[in-house]
Amino acid sequence: DTAVSQTPKYLVTQMGNDKSIKCEQNLGHDTMYWYKQDSKKFLKIMFSYNNKELIINETVPNRFSPKSPDKAHLNLHINSLELGDSAVYFCASSHGPGFGEQFFGPGTRLTVL
Amino acid sequence: KNEVEQSPQNLTAQEGEFITINCSYSVGISALHWLQQHPGGGIVSLFMLSSGKKKHGRLIATINIQEKHSSLHITASHPRDSAVYICAVSFKAAGNKLTFGGGTRVLVKP
Repeated sequence: DTAVSQTPKYLVTQMGNDKSIKCEQNLGHDTMYWYKQDSKKFLKIMFSYNNKELIINETVPNRFSPKSPDKAHLNLHINSLELGDSAVYFCASSHGPGFGEQFFGPGTRLTVL
Repeated sequence: KNEVEQSPQNLTAQEGEFITINCSYSVGISALHWLQQHPGGGIVSLFMLSSGKKKHGRLIATINIQEKHSSLHITASHPRDSAVYICAVSFKAAGNKLTFGGGTRVLVKP
């Protein structure tokens, strides 16, 4: 049983397109996160939701919009993709906001051409 | 400013050697995490600690709150320990969101 799953694993698309990445956790956690890992492998938080409510929203272009239909799912929609959006995006979850061990998804490698 | 510094950036060891990775941070934290990222890209949580010391198998993590410093030790290192090790902290003043260090790339040679 996969604890935190993401789809797709790889996403190659053209500049200007709109795409979504989906994340699901079956751990019963209340809090979910989106992280971006850039080409230098540096990880940075983008968003965090607790019980479907947005609690962390970093300085991210508003082309990025997270959506949490329920506390087991946190999807990331990106409009008007740019070259600089190419990165690996990781979803994670934990029992509560900012505390407790975080469990990471396998990552989605996004390449914008 | 909430900062996390790791050292060294890269480390090469021979199989069997004792490895130490260091992490220092700037202000008060709620917790410190050690993560492992395999060459395939997956990230695994190794430890979460807010005081003292934790041990899991050949891995030991320590934290000194007064000195704002943590270490991750790998005893009897093995080639399968080759990975990037990432320190991350949740700063109290920043809503407990994780701030990451730059990672330490470890290569253990047989």
